[in-house]
This record gives sequence, structure tokens and C-alpha cells, in this order.
Amino acid sequence: ILNVEQSPQSLHVQEGDSTNFTCSFPSSNFYALHWYRWETAKSPEALFVMTLNGDEKKKGRISATLNTKEGYSYLYIKGSQPEDSATYLCAFNYGQNFVFGPGTRLSVLP
Amino acid sequence: GAVVSQHPSWVICKSGTSVKIECRSLDFQATTMFWYRQFPKQSLMLMATSNEGSKATYEQGVEKDKFLINHASLTLSTLTVTSAHPEDSSFYICSASPLVQAETQYFGPGTRLLVL
Repeated sequence: ILNVEQSPQSLHVQEGDSTNFTCSFPSSNFYALHWYRWETAKSPEALFVMTLNGDEKKKGRISATLNTKEGYSYLYIKGSQPEDSATYLCAFNYGQNFVFGPGTRLSVLP
Repeated sequence: GAVVSQHPSWVICKSGTSVKIECRSLDFQATTMFWYRQFPKQSLMLMATSNEGSKATYEQGVEKDKFLINHASLTLSTLTVTSAHPEDSSFYICSASPLVQAETQYFGPGTRLLVL
């Protein structure tokens, strides 16, 4: 059974703080690792698709790194803003199917 | 671009009734659509994968006669929960993969089902 873990489960930070969280996934049969941001009552929004070991992607204040050999990815948010409050999901992609982690719920306090 | 809609957003029904949920890709054609279910504090769990014009592939433990999936066109898939029971109460969410970007899934906003 493929298992994807995320930590922490939830996180509260002050506006302006930088933060990061972790996604752990199986290191075998790797195809891609996806990060999504999921705001309440909205669709999960794709942030990054990462495929290569050592990959680093950036979108504004958010960036992510990937280590396929040890099976982890980090998501970083620099200078958190209240609008960053959401659940961040990672998904391990093997072939066509995705296996999702349980998410990290981020709350940014003004 | 890459918008997926899902209807209804919320549904409350009596035990024994059937509920149909629609998933539409609004601005792209999707070869494959996926249906997930999420119970409180758990991960999104894949229920089935549907390809346009063919039978859906169900994950282990998901009853195909209970959860009927129809993928009649490249922009529409439906999930029907037949003879719903309280234990079917959950959050159901679909995703769609574009023809030209098969490694990506775009999600609908989900449907919360409550069976009384």
C-alpha cells in the first residue's frame, strides 16, 4: 500500500513569518510529485508538478524542493500572508494515479 | 483555464434514495476523470478512474454497483450513489486530466453528501 505523509498536520503562524512543511512519499516507482493549495469551499489549485530529483520550483513567495532518492519534498512560504491560509496537499503520482497525503492546514494570523 | 465544475455542492437525502453528482471540464477536454472520497481528517481516497466511452476502473473495496460512474463525453462524468445509506455520507470530489497534459489533474470544488 502506497503511503504519503505530511507534517505537520496543522500550523498557525503570524503574518510575515516564513514557514515550511514536509511531504514524504515512497521513493520507488516515482513519476511525479504534485503540490496543491486547497482553500475552503474552493477547488484544490495546482501549485507545482515536480519530476526530477533536486528540482526546485518557485511561484511568487512559495517554493518547493524535491528529493526522490529519500522520498521527500518541502514546501516553503516566505513572508506568510492571511491569504495563504489553506490546506496544502501533496500527491505522489505513479503512472496515472495519485496518492494524496492528508494535508497540512495553514492558518496565517494577521 | 483548466476549470472543473461539480454539481451539486451540497446534497442532503433520505436513506435509500439515489444521488447523482456531475463533474464537468469547462474549458478543456478530459480523456480521464477521477472520483475521490474524503472522510473527516483523512486523505483524498481514489474511488475510480473513468475514461470517456469505456467502463470505469474501481479501486479495491469500492462497490461498482453502489457507485455508478458514467463518462459519456470528454467533458462530463457522473457519479451516482445508489440506495444511499448514512455511511455513504462523505465529501466527494472529482478531477479531470486534459488530453494534452495527462500528468496533471484539475479538481472540481467537491460535493458534500449527507444521508439521513
